[in-house]
Amino acid sequence: EAGVAQSPRYKIIEKRQSVAFWCNPISGHATLYWYQQILGQGPKLLIQFQNNGVVDDSQLPKDRFSAERLKGVDSTLKIQPAKLEDSAVYLCASSQQGAGAFFGQGTRLTVV
Amino acid sequence: AQTVTQSQPEMSVQEAETVTLSCTYDTSENNYYLFWYKQPPSRQMILVIRQEAYKQQNATENRFSVNFQKAAKSFSLKISDSQLGDTAMYFCAFMKAGTASKLTFGTGTRLQVTL
Repeated sequence: EAGVAQSPRYKIIEKRQSVAFWCNPISGHATLYWYQQILGQGPKLLIQFQNNGVVDDSQLPKDRFSAERLKGVDSTLKIQPAKLEDSAVYLCASSQQGAGAFFGQGTRLTVV
Repeated sequence: AQTVTQSQPEMSVQEAETVTLSCTYDTSENNYYLFWYKQPPSRQMILVIRQEAYKQQNATENRFSVNFQKAAKSFSLKISDSQLGDTAMYFCAFMKAGTASKLTFGTGTRLQVTL
């Protein structure tokens, strides 16, 4: 069974530029999560989708972050414009009910 | 809201020894799941072990086992016969039963396995 795929693995951008991350979840998983993980900290949930609907985006900085999940499968997370404090690893995960979430390898974003 | 607390920021264990990582959580839910995740320096988060709250039997996966105390809201991870490859960050996580549930993480414990 293929795991969660994320791209790119690494991205370096200047502040005020825009960036987009892509995630393809495990086939059949209805729930998709985007987490932000700052170095040395635990993951913080940015947004959670159930199929193509948003379940929780309470911690998403909506003035600069946006996310969508077209057709309830792939998802993209965008930051525009980026700030220095957005430097982090962005993790995508998907899950079936109660089975726990399975994570991709993450995208390390550096904003300079 | 659920909270997950890991009170040990760092731990160290010698190879072949046993180590226990602590986790407590707070919830008003009766049906839920608890997880331990491992995150090596390569950074991919790996699911180590899963416990269903309605099961009294503690989960076991090879060298990894848990001590689940529902009344005390405690969920510790025991790693037996520690190996160098066990060096990683370990995160405890909580998920309420039901569809579209949020996965809430603790702050993590950094485990170093030494020779």
